[in-house]
Formats: sequence, structure tokens, C-alpha cells
Amino acid sequence: GAVVSQHPSRVICKSGTSVKIECRSLDFQATTMFWYRQFPKQSLMLMATSNEGSKATYEQGVEKDKFLINHASLTLSTLTVTSAHPEDSSFYICSAKRGGSPEQFFGPGTRLTVL
Amino acid sequence: DQQVKQNSPSLSVQEGRISILNCDYTNSMFDYFLWYKKYPAEGPTFLISISSIKDKNEDGRFTVFLNKSAKHLSLHIVPSQPGDSAVYFCAASVNQGAQKLVFGQGTRLTINP
Repeated sequence: GAVVSQHPSRVICKSGTSVKIECRSLDFQATTMFWYRQFPKQSLMLMATSNEGSKATYEQGVEKDKFLINHASLTLSTLTVTSAHPEDSSFYICSAKRGGSPEQFFGPGTRLTVL
Repeated sequence: DQQVKQNSPSLSVQEGRISILNCDYTNSMFDYFLWYKKYPAEGPTFLISISSIKDKNEDGRFTVFLNKSAKHLSLHIVPSQPGDSAVYFCAASVNQGAQKLVFGQGTRLTINP
């Protein structure tokens, strides 16, 4: 159990467009989902924490109007990168957590390239 | 302020020997620790965790040791196998609220045949 999927795995878009990334917990209900960003050869940087049915909590320095997070159900969270620019190019990873336990289970990641 | 530190960016170990990956933390509020394994262009895979009420947790070839007084934990892999070659991240959490994870920088482990 504890499988998390992410879609798409790779996306290339033009500067100024918006991109939506989906994160699904396939075999469990996730009380909380997290969105991370990873730059090459660096650690995972937490962007935001989202709970089903409530607004996401963003980490300091992350623009909430640029990175829109919607957690519509206990198995689905989406991240929309609005008006993407080349500096938004990165590897975005989501994770999901069951209630009570700190273990997070990660999706396979989405490589975003903004031209 | 790097609250979780993995001071060795890389480690090379011969197949069959023991791999020891180290991690230090500064925040004494952390009470739950995890190790993840990551391949390039993939999400991290959970390996093993330990609560601060324990000093050792074992799962197959993987053992995590926690030294609270030194704010240090280590992951032992024995025997090391070629498939263990990956980047290993340690992470720490405060076991309340959102239980957010704080990750170290990662250590690239290479197992040589």
C-alpha cells in the first residue's frame, strides 16, 4: 500500500502559460498532502502543505498566487503553476500522509521545463 | 539555517560491505526521523523511520540508530548491494500538527562491485 501517483511526469510549456500537476494517493486516504520542489543536486524544498477542504499553508518565500494548490478530496491534490517563467523550471514532487503517522509517501515527480 | 545536515555528499562502498550514512540535526524539538532513498528523476522512497523514544530500529538489511544526546542518527545497510546505489536523504519531523519533514542535503551512495 501507500502508492502516490503524479501526472504528468514531464511537461514542457511556453513562458506565460499555466501548468497543472495532479497528485493522487491510490490506495489510501491522505489527510495531508505536501508539495516540494527540487533543484539539481539539492535537497527537497517544501513549498506548501495542504489539507482536504481547506486552504493550503505556504512556506515562507513561496508565492501563493503563483503556485495555486487545490486539495479537492482525500485522494487528490493539484498544483497549478500560473504564468510560468523559465525560472519555474524544476522538479516538482508531491507527497501524501495518512492520519497520525509522520511518514510521507512520495509521487514520482514532475519535470517542468518552461521555454 | 540548516536544521538537518548530511555532511557527506557522497560515499563509496564495496558490494557486500556495510554502508553507514550519517545525519545530524540541531532542533531538539524533532522527535521522529526518517530515511528515504531516491533515484534520479524519481520521487523519494521511504526506507525506515525511528521515534525519539527508541535508539534503534531494524528492518531487514537496514538499521537506523539514534543518539539523542549527540543529535545524530545513522543508517546502516548490510550487506550493501549494487541496487542500493542512490541518493539517501534523512528527514526529521516534530510529531504534532502538520508533521512537516525537514530534509538533509542527501548523500550519494555508490556500491562498487
